[in-house]
Amino acid sequence: SQQGEEDPQALSIQEGENATMNCSYKTSINNLQWYRQNSGRGLVHLILIRSNEREKHSGRLRVTLDTSKKSSSLLITASRAADTASYFCATVASGGSYIPTFGRGTSLIVHP
Amino acid sequence: DSGVTQTPKHLITATGQRVTLRCSPRSGDLSVYWYQQSLDQGLQFLIQYYNGEERAKGNILERFSAQQFPDLHSELNLSSLELGDSALYFCASSVESSGIGTDTQYFGPGTRLTVL
Repeated sequence: SQQGEEDPQALSIQEGENATMNCSYKTSINNLQWYRQNSGRGLVHLILIRSNEREKHSGRLRVTLDTSKKSSSLLITASRAADTASYFCATVASGGSYIPTFGRGTSLIVHP
Repeated sequence: DSGVTQTPKHLITATGQRVTLRCSPRSGDLSVYWYQQSLDQGLQFLIQYYNGEERAKGNILERFSAQQFPDLHSELNLSSLELGDSALYFCASSVESSGIGTDTQYFGPGTRLTVL
């Protein structure tokens, strides 16, 4: 399956610390996307990184992609209590279905 | 607010029943996607419609069906409901003009279905 797997499953940090989440996948991708989901709410698209890109930034978010290791990481710097949510990576396979396949997510808790 | 609306927010029904979930996409978005989110299966893609036509199919059961109407709103019909169908059902929309999965999907708030 193309499904990405996030690691760790759960992460608990203090406000102001950095949070790093990882995503590993199995086959070649066209792009990889990160989403955030607040408890019981819809997913919110954070950032998309294409297979020919290595790093992207958006505000306090930094995403890296290593296609040789088939992995990506999401770094949230100077975290805030409002960053508490689940974070999902979604992969779009190359040469196949263009529908993103979601992992099971990392649950992040940021303590004030 | 993503601009995608879903009704109802909550639905409680009994096994064997049939329900209809409704989704209105963001203004201008032609694609609608349906997902099921449960604790054991995670977020599973069910089906996509683009401008009224079915475009992609995922792990959708035969008891489930969907359609997209000329005004682009979509309905997901779930029949012969089982306990295991209890889940959050999300609709998402996108422009999806590229056809290669680079368009951002905007998710609605979801419908929580409980089958008793």
